[in-house]
Amino acid sequence: KAGVTQTPRYLIKTRGQQVTLSCSPISGHRSVSWYQQTPGQGLQFLFEYFSETQRNKGNFPGRFSGRQFSNSRSEMNVSTLELGDSALYLCASSLVGTGSSYNSPLHFGNGTRLTVT
Amino acid sequence: QQQVKQSPQSLIVQKGGISIINCAYENTAFDYFPWYQQFPGKGPALLIAIRPDVSEKKEGRFTISFNKSAKQFSLHIMDSQPGDSATYFCAASKPDYKLSFGAGTTVTVRA
Repeated sequence: KAGVTQTPRYLIKTRGQQVTLSCSPISGHRSVSWYQQTPGQGLQFLFEYFSETQRNKGNFPGRFSGRQFSNSRSEMNVSTLELGDSALYLCASSLVGTGSSYNSPLHFGNGTRLTVT
Repeated sequence: QQQVKQSPQSLIVQKGGISIINCAYENTAFDYFPWYQQFPGKGPALLIAIRPDVSEKKEGRFTISFNKSAKQFSLHIMDSQPGDSATYFCAASKPDYKLSFGAGTTVTVRA
């Protein structure tokens, strides 16, 4: 079974631009979560989608948004990019429900490395 | 605020030695405690997980010890190998809630 697939792997953008990242979950997984990973802040939760509905949201500004499609694929959008948005953006999927549990653990993709110049 | 506190930030161990990483949490409603392993250029991969009704879980050379009363849990890597060199994250969650991660520990195993 294929794992979580994130595209693109690398992105270089300029301040003020916007960017869209894509995530394809493991087949059959209905929950998709997004995390931002930086050396200083570690893994920070952005939001989670389940059955096309946002179920949980982290403490990020409204410039960060996402959506989930009927096939469970998800996209994340960041508008008006800032230098501080440079990070590894990780998508993770789980089988059922929301969040993560012993019977429905999170499985991560290899991330999209975003660099804002 | 950080809901899971992890220490140390980094550690170096000789091949064959034991690596120990500690985590503490505050929210007593947490009922799921996984550990993730991350290699450079890769996403975190689930290594081992425990529920609070169990005090210890072992999978190969990796063991989680859980102390519910102290709200602490730890990862022990026995017989550490160079291939274990990675960053390890502890995490905690409860139903319908995000998975909250510790800050991570970079483990270096010297041959």
